[in-house]
Amino acid sequence: KQEVTQIPAALSVPEGENLVLNCSFTDSAIYNLQWFRQDPGKGLTSLLLIQSSQREQTSGRLNASLDKSSGRSTLYIAASQPGDSATYLCAVRRFDNQGGKLIFGQGTELSVKP
Amino acid sequence: DTGVSQNPRHKITKRGQNVTFRCDPISEHNRLYWYRQTLGQGPEFLTYFQNEAQLEKSRLLSDRFSAERPKGSFSTLEIQRTEQGDSAMYLCASSTAGTPDGYTFGSGTRLTVV
Repeated sequence: KQEVTQIPAALSVPEGENLVLNCSFTDSAIYNLQWFRQDPGKGLTSLLLIQSSQREQTSGRLNASLDKSSGRSTLYIAASQPGDSATYLCAVRRFDNQGGKLIFGQGTELSVKP
Repeated sequence: DTGVSQNPRHKITKRGQNVTFRCDPISEHNRLYWYRQTLGQGPEFLTYFQNEAQLEKSRLLSDRFSAERPKGSFSTLEIQRTEQGDSAMYLCASSTAGTPDGYTFGSGTRLTVV
């Protein structure tokens, strides 16, 4: 059974710091991995999608890496800003013949202090 | 197409009442997923449809829950005889089967059972 774990559960940093969020999964047979952002009381916004054959993806100040063999992904946020404050969720996607559904971690709640 | 739309955004109901939520996916997406998210946790899979066929239901989906997707377009999720434990955010997402594309989530419906 696939399990996804995110560490830390919460993180508070001063503005301008670079930071890394961690995601680990137990079964390396994944289709892809997706990082989401969730603001309080809101839905999920997709940040980055990494296919199983890829090692990393970048978008602006965000960089996500994937190491399938070790079952790990990291989300790197450069030069953090107060507007980055949110909960960050990683999710692995099962193959289409298994329904393609996402298995989520419990999230990392990030607070960036001005 | 403005993305995945969910209605209502918020619903407060008394214990024992029935509630129904609606999800309108991205029109070209043939897969539609329902997830439930409780406070401080990641979303958990409930069920999914490919076109109009409901292909998988989680054990979380008790007999009081029913979902439909008539004609493979919008979907409804009904909860009968609501209980306080049903209080959660209900999220809908859509995607296209057979492609490595990511999921698009709606803004969710927040249910509070009093």
